[in-house]
Amino acid sequence: GDSVTQMEGPVTLSEEAFLTINCTYTATGYPSLFWYVQYPGEGLQLLLKATKADDKGSNKGFEATYRKETTSFHLEKGSVQVSDSAVYFCALGGIIQGAQKLVFGQGTRLTINP
Amino acid sequence: EPEVTQTPSHQVTQMGQEVILRCVPISNHLYFYWYRQILGQKVEFLVSFYNNEISEKSEIFDDQFSVERPDGSNFTLKIRSTKLEDSAMYFCASSDQEQPQHFGDGTRLSIL
Repeated sequence: GDSVTQMEGPVTLSEEAFLTINCTYTATGYPSLFWYVQYPGEGLQLLLKATKADDKGSNKGFEATYRKETTSFHLEKGSVQVSDSAVYFCALGGIIQGAQKLVFGQGTRLTINP
Repeated sequence: EPEVTQTPSHQVTQMGQEVILRCVPISNHLYFYWYRQILGQKVEFLVSFYNNEISEKSEIFDDQFSVERPDGSNFTLKIRSTKLEDSAMYFCASSDQEQPQHFGDGTRLSIL
């Protein structure tokens, strides 16, 4: 079945460091790919998405490119802030009759120190 | 911005009891979902619901689970006879057709 593998956490960086969180997937067909973020005490929020190969999703300085040849969707940010501390989830989604089932990776906890 | 709301935020229940988790999806959304996250594990899909019926369910969603949209606004998940292993965070989500899902803040279910 479909699956998502994320880089193991936790990840701890200093403010203004470069961030990469790796995500690879296994899927039949051509899923959409997502990054969700969960801040402490809150639910999952969509951070960015890409719906087809070579699409780049971006939001709040974060970027990820849908790479079909390497089945990857790595999350990057050039300069992280303390407020980026959260758990990040990579997910893939397939549409069945309009409804979309999301398959999540295990999540990566990111801590940014001032 | 409209949001998905879930109640209660924390539910403590004795093993074997029935529990109902409630969700109010975003008002113009047509697709509704439940996911769960056992502590330290992945977020797992349970069920999707459209047009007053289940469109897909996972192996986790056995006969102990049911979903209902009792009126025009609420979407509920019922666990008929809770087990210790049902302890988890349960997330409700909703979406427009083929659009990303919006999640609620979750209900933490603790089974004693």
